[in-house]
Amino acid sequence: KAGVTQTPRYLIKTRGQQVTLSCSPISGHRSVSWYQQTPGQGLQFLFEYFSETQRNKGNFPGRFSGRQFSNSRSEMNVSTLELGDSALYLCASSKTRQGGSNEKLFFGSGTQLSVL
Amino acid sequence: LAKTTQPISMDSYEGQEVNITCSHNNIATNDYITWYQQFPSQGPRFIIQGYKTKVTNEVASLFIPADRKSSTLSLPRVSLSDTAVYYCLVVGSGSGTYKYIFGTGTRLKVLA
Repeated sequence: KAGVTQTPRYLIKTRGQQVTLSCSPISGHRSVSWYQQTPGQGLQFLFEYFSETQRNKGNFPGRFSGRQFSNSRSEMNVSTLELGDSALYLCASSKTRQGGSNEKLFFGSGTQLSVL
Repeated sequence: LAKTTQPISMDSYEGQEVNITCSHNNIATNDYITWYQQFPSQGPRFIIQGYKTKVTNEVASLFIPADRKSSTLSLPRVSLSDTAVYYCLVVGSGSGTYKYIFGTGTRLKVLA
């Protein structure tokens, strides 16, 4: 069974640009969540989608957005990039409908975004 | 929402047992505690999950005291390949929503 696939693996952008990252979940998983990982802040939750609807959201500005398609694939978008957006962006998929406390998350390898 | 705290780093030698503790003082009644392992250039990988008392699987044990304000991941007889960052996760629930709040991570270095 294929794991979670994230593309691209590496990305370099300049300040003010926008970027779109893609995540394909494990087959049969309908929940996709996104995380930002930086050396200073660790792993921070961005948002989670289930059945094309944003189910939960972390404390990030509106420049960070996402969506989910009918095949459960998800994209996240960051507009007006800032230097501080440089990070590893991870997505995770999970199977259950309810979500929440006892979810088992399966992570992709991430997209390393560098903003110059 | 629950906030988690872990030691930043730990060193151990091959063959030793390693215990990593996570504090989660504001854990809610319905929250589970889950531990993940992360190697460089990879996403975190599930290790173990528990709600109370003790859980054991083929790679680790998880100890949770009665008050559930902390949890301890125990890795028996570590090897060099266990060198990684370990995160505890408490899914913070409140107002009908939940947020995945990861701990700061503990960087474990296993020495030969």
